[in-house]
Amino acid sequence: KNEVEQSPQNLTAQEGEFITINCSYSVGISALHWLQQHPGGGIVSLFMLSSGKKKHGRLIATINIQEKHSSLHITASHPRDSAVYICAVRLIKAAGNKLTFGGGTRVLVKP
Amino acid sequence: EPEVTQTPSHQVTQMGQEVILRCVPISNHLYFYWYRQILGQKVEFLVSFYNNEISEKSEIFDDQFSVERPDGSNFTLKIRSTKLEDSAMYFCASSGEIWDTQYFGPGTRLTVL
Repeated sequence: KNEVEQSPQNLTAQEGEFITINCSYSVGISALHWLQQHPGGGIVSLFMLSSGKKKHGRLIATINIQEKHSSLHITASHPRDSAVYICAVRLIKAAGNKLTFGGGTRVLVKP
Repeated sequence: EPEVTQTPSHQVTQMGQEVILRCVPISNHLYFYWYRQILGQKVEFLVSFYNNEISEKSEIFDDQFSVERPDGSNFTLKIRSTKLEDSAMYFCASSGEIWDTQYFGPGTRLTVL
């Protein structure tokens, strides 16, 4: 069983639309990361969360520890937001700081 | 803004050859990681490194793999005898403290023929 599940796998939106990506995990975690992977392959860290909500520009990330669920929202989406968004968790049982990754959500924003 | 750099960006090698992938972490960071992503699959953890020692490794990180910090700036991943299934994108990451955000390099695409 995958410890980290993301939905949807693929998402197409029109420019300006509000986008929500979901991440569910089945084990105890100490932190959750949202990452962005561009078509060239590079990975950029967007957020690290252990509780509550964080906002950066048009991006908002929330986490509900009790429900083992996190969401990443993109407001007023733009074609440059097209990328794969990856949820990764740091498991409580992990000795160090290794991350366990979800499969990613491929987002395409059309002009 | 400081960033993690990796070289080369693309490496092509013959099966059985040794490869060394190089990373320069952010200069004041203490924790270093290697991850890999086989085409079309999830990113997977390989190894974490702190204080000149491996602190954790995955089952993927077998005797074919080794890591080293040969000087104060570089962090390397060596694959001793490459196999076809080692073809993947390899990402280096670093963090300042153990629980901090990890910053990823741009990746090295390894192709084993």
